[in-house]
Amino acid sequence: KAGVTQTPRYLIKTRGQQVTLSCSPISGHRSVSWYQQTPGQGLQFLFEYFSETQRNKGNFPGRFSGRQFSNSRSEMNVSTLELGDSALYLCASSLSGDPVYNEQFFGPGTRLTVL
Amino acid sequence: QQQVKQSPQSLIVQKGGISIINCAYENTAFDYFPWYQQFPGKGPALLIAIRPDVSEKKEGRFTISFNKSAKQFSLHIMDSQPGDSATYFCAAQRPEYGNKLVFGAGTILRVKS
Repeated sequence: KAGVTQTPRYLIKTRGQQVTLSCSPISGHRSVSWYQQTPGQGLQFLFEYFSETQRNKGNFPGRFSGRQFSNSRSEMNVSTLELGDSALYLCASSLSGDPVYNEQFFGPGTRLTVL
Repeated sequence: QQQVKQSPQSLIVQKGGISIINCAYENTAFDYFPWYQQFPGKGPALLIAIRPDVSEKKEGRFTISFNKSAKQFSLHIMDSQPGDSATYFCAAQRPEYGNKLVFGAGTILRVKS
């Protein structure tokens, strides 16, 4: 069974630009969550999508947005990039969003560098 | 606001020794506590998890000890091996927030051979 895939793996952008990152969850998984990982702030939750609906949102500015498609693939978008947005962006998928916890499987991440 | 505090920041252990990483949480609404292992260039991978109704859970060389009254939990890695060298994250989850994980800051473990 293929794991979570994220594209692209590496990205270099300049300040003010926007970027779109893509995540393909494990087949059959309906929940996709996004995290930002930086040396200073660690792993921080961005948002979760389940059945094309945003279920939860972290404490990030509105420049960070996402969506989920009917095939459960998800994209996140960051507009008006800032230097501080440089980070590893991780996507995690799980079978469902029910309170009965299902294991979350993380992808390898997209390394975003903002110059 | 750091809801899950993790220590130490880094740890060096001799091969065959015991690695111990500690976490403390503030919010008693958390009811699921997983540990993740992350190797360089990879995403975190679930290692072991525990619910607060259990005081200890063991899977192979990995054990979680949970102290509900103290709001603390810890990961013990027995017979540590060089292949265990990685970054370890504790996390917490609460049911009304779906799959949102609140992570500790991470511990860089190095096992010396």
